[in-house]
Amino acid sequence: QKEVEQDPGPLSVPEGAIVSLNCTYSNSAFQYFMWYRQYSRKGPELLMYTYSSGNKEDGRFTAQVDKSSKYISLFIRDSQPSDSATYLCAIPNTGGFKTIFGAGTRLFVKA
Amino acid sequence: DSGVTQTPKHLITATGQRVTLRCSPRSGDLSVYWYQQSLDQGLQFLIQYYNGEERAKGNILERFSAQQFPDLHSELNLSSLELGDSALYFCASSVKSLAPDTQYFGPGTRLTVL
Repeated sequence: QKEVEQDPGPLSVPEGAIVSLNCTYSNSAFQYFMWYRQYSRKGPELLMYTYSSGNKEDGRFTAQVDKSSKYISLFIRDSQPSDSATYLCAIPNTGGFKTIFGAGTRLFVKA
Repeated sequence: DSGVTQTPKHLITATGQRVTLRCSPRSGDLSVYWYQQSLDQGLQFLIQYYNGEERAKGNILERFSAQQFPDLHSELNLSSLELGDSALYFCASSVKSLAPDTQYFGPGTRLTVL
């Protein structure tokens, strides 16, 4: 079993839709959870990070962590064509040196 | 612009050859990470250096090696290249050596092995 699992998609939605992107993880000791966004032909960039369980909101983006289910989500409200990108969940191995990345979900938002 | 620079942007070479990829981290960042990204494997961690010292190894092949120089730039050397080494290679930098820490990624080097 991989430490972090993410459906690679692709996911295609109409403009204005609510998008839900998800990852599952296996290690209950993980405490920090990150989401990176990667546009085509670019390097990933940090979008949001959360600590422990709960929600964190930043504009149209909400990151949610459910530690009991080992499940993390990124919601995008009022999705825009400019949100078309690959979204990678990332979980730092706290106290260690490695950050584990999910496979990334390709999102297409159609105008 | 993340502040991390990578050269070259594109590299086309033949099987069996050796190439060197270069990375300059953001000003002030001491950690440098190398990743390989291919379509079927996602973003794979290769190796991390912190202030000149190797700190962590991931799925790095023996044919690959890296180093971080006193000015903190880093080079990734790939030798005896195979077709399967064709991928995007990203460098990232961060301030700290331990997770969690925000990693800032460069634009990548696209390697094509023919």
